[in-house]
This record gives sequence, structure tokens and C-alpha cells, in this order.
Amino acid sequence: GDSVTQMEGPVTLSEEAFLTINCTYTATGYPSLFWYVQYPGEGLQLLLKATKADDKGSNKGFEATYRKETTSFHLEKGSVQVSDSAVYFCALSVQGGSEKLVFGKGTKLTVNP
Amino acid sequence: GAVVSQHPSRVICKSGTSVKIECRSLDFQATTMFWYRQFPKQSLMLMATSNEGSKATYEQGVEKDKFLINHASLTLSTLTVTSAHPEDSSFYICSARQLGTGVSQDTIYFGEGSWLTVV
Repeated sequence: GDSVTQMEGPVTLSEEAFLTINCTYTATGYPSLFWYVQYPGEGLQLLLKATKADDKGSNKGFEATYRKETTSFHLEKGSVQVSDSAVYFCALSVQGGSEKLVFGKGTKLTVNP
Repeated sequence: GAVVSQHPSRVICKSGTSVKIECRSLDFQATTMFWYRQFPKQSLMLMATSNEGSKATYEQGVEKDKFLINHASLTLSTLTVTSAHPEDSSFYICSARQLGTGVSQDTIYFGEGSWLTVV
């Protein structure tokens, strides 16, 4: 079945460090890929998405590229801030939209000043 | 912007009792809402799709008689865990779909989630 595997956390970084959170997927067909973020006490928010191979999603300095050949969608940010501390979820949808989402386990990021 | 609110954020209940979790879309109408749960160290898993005015659609392996879903209005869906047991302790989160207008796509908004502990 469809699944998402993402890097286990927690991840702790210093401010301005480079961030990578790995995400790989298994899916039938051609899924859309997403990164969601959950800040403390808040709901999940869509961070970025990509709907086809080689697409790059970007938002708030975060980027992820849909790599079909490696079935990956790694999240990167060149310089993290304390305010980026949150739980990050990689997800896919094989129905094209973002309705039935298959999530990874989530990666907790803590950024220290 | 659009907000989805879940209540309660944390609840502790005794084994054998029922507990209700509410999911509200605060500034838009949602004909479709979704319920997920996440066990410790596991992924968020879709439990069911809640459709306003009709029966919910449950995912395989989810007991519909145990997890009652009611979507009686366009802004409220409720999940009731009946005869709760410790193994039902989990993180439950809902999402609501805001229909796009014109050429814009639908948007999914998530609630804050609810931690259920059954003792």
C-alpha cells in the first residue's frame, strides 16, 4: 500500500544551521506530495507541495523537490530560525488533491538560539 | 484566514465511558471533514470521511460502531469514542475542506488535535 517514511526525530539545531528532513514514499500511480507543519498548540498547516515529478515546492525559505527516480521529497532550509521549531509531516495523496492524505510519523524540530 | 477548531485539546476518561471530540470550521462551511488518529511513534492515519447530512465513510479496519461520527451541520463534525478502552488512547485530529471558488482549488485546514487518554 501507499506509505511515507520520514526521518525520525527529534532534530535539534542551532539558529542559522542548515536543515534537511528526509522523506521517501511508496505509492501506486502518481501521487502529490506535501509537507505540513504543526507549531505548538496549533493545527497542521500546509507548508508546501508538489504535484508532479521535478516540481519544487517552496515557502518561508523551505524547499522540497519531487524526485520520482528516488521516490523522495526531502525538506530543506538553508538557515533555520527559532520560530521554525515545530513538528514537520511529510504526506502524499494519490487522488491528486489533499483529501485522503497518507502521512509520515512526523519529525520534531527544535531550534536553539 | 480560515480556521478549524477542535475541542477538547486534551481529555482523560475512564475505561468504558464515551467521549466526544468536536471539530468546527469557524469561518467557512465544510461539507466534508476528515478524522485522523496517530498512535505513539506511528503515522497519522485517516479514520473516516465525514459528510454533512449523510453517513460517514470509514477506512478499512476502523469500527464504525465504536467511532461514531456525526456531521449534522456545515460547520460541525463530532467524533464519539464509545466504550473507550486504554488502547483507544491516541492523538485525534480533524480537517475540513473549504471548497474553492472559480478557478481556485479546494483547501484543507486542520484542527489543533485532541489528546485522548483512557485510564
